[in-house]
Amino acid sequence: GNSVTQMEGPVTLSEEAFLTINCTYTATGYPSLFWYVQYPGEGLQLLLKATKADDKGSNKGFEATYRKETTSFHLEKGSVQVSDSAVYFCALRSVLDYKLSFGAGTTVTVRA
Amino acid sequence: DAGVTQSPTHLIKTRGQQVTLRCSPKSGHDTVSWYQQALGQGPQFIFQYYEEEERQRGNFPDRFSGHQFPNYSSELNVNALLLGDSALYLCASSPPGTGAEKLFFGSGTQLSVL
Repeated sequence: GNSVTQMEGPVTLSEEAFLTINCTYTATGYPSLFWYVQYPGEGLQLLLKATKADDKGSNKGFEATYRKETTSFHLEKGSVQVSDSAVYFCALRSVLDYKLSFGAGTTVTVRA
Repeated sequence: DAGVTQSPTHLIKTRGQQVTLRCSPKSGHDTVSWYQQALGQGPQFIFQYYEEEERQRGNFPDRFSGHQFPNYSSELNVNALLLGDSALYLCASSPPGTGAEKLFFGSGTQLSVL
């Protein structure tokens, strides 16, 4: 079945540091890949997505590239801010599937 | 424009009881999905409702059931509650024709089973 493995947290960074959160997946075919973010006290929000190999999703300074050869979708941001403190979830959706399969989440804390 | 709204925000029940959670989708959305998020874990898919029918179901027992109303709002019912049902229950809605590609999540209902 489908599964998503994320880098374990928590991750603590200083402002303006570089952030990488690793995500690898197992799925049949060519799934769509997503990053969702959960800010404290709020619901999950879609951060970015990619639907085919070599696509790059980007939003709010975050980027992730769909790598079919390594079954990965790592999230990166070049310079984090305190407001980026949140829990980040990698997720996938297989073709013809109506559900998302999520990773366990990575808690990121950015210190001023 | 209101987003996805869930009620109640918090709930405390005892083992063996039954609970009903409610969700109003974002305006214009016709599909509702429910997820269970245990502490420190990612959300797990329970089921999705479309056109008042359960379209897909995750690996949850029959104690978990749902309903979608003509106005697209939805309920999640859990019977014979177990301690392990304690979790954050998330509702997500999506616009017509998008399936799970564009999910908008509510803030959830925190259920505690004692």
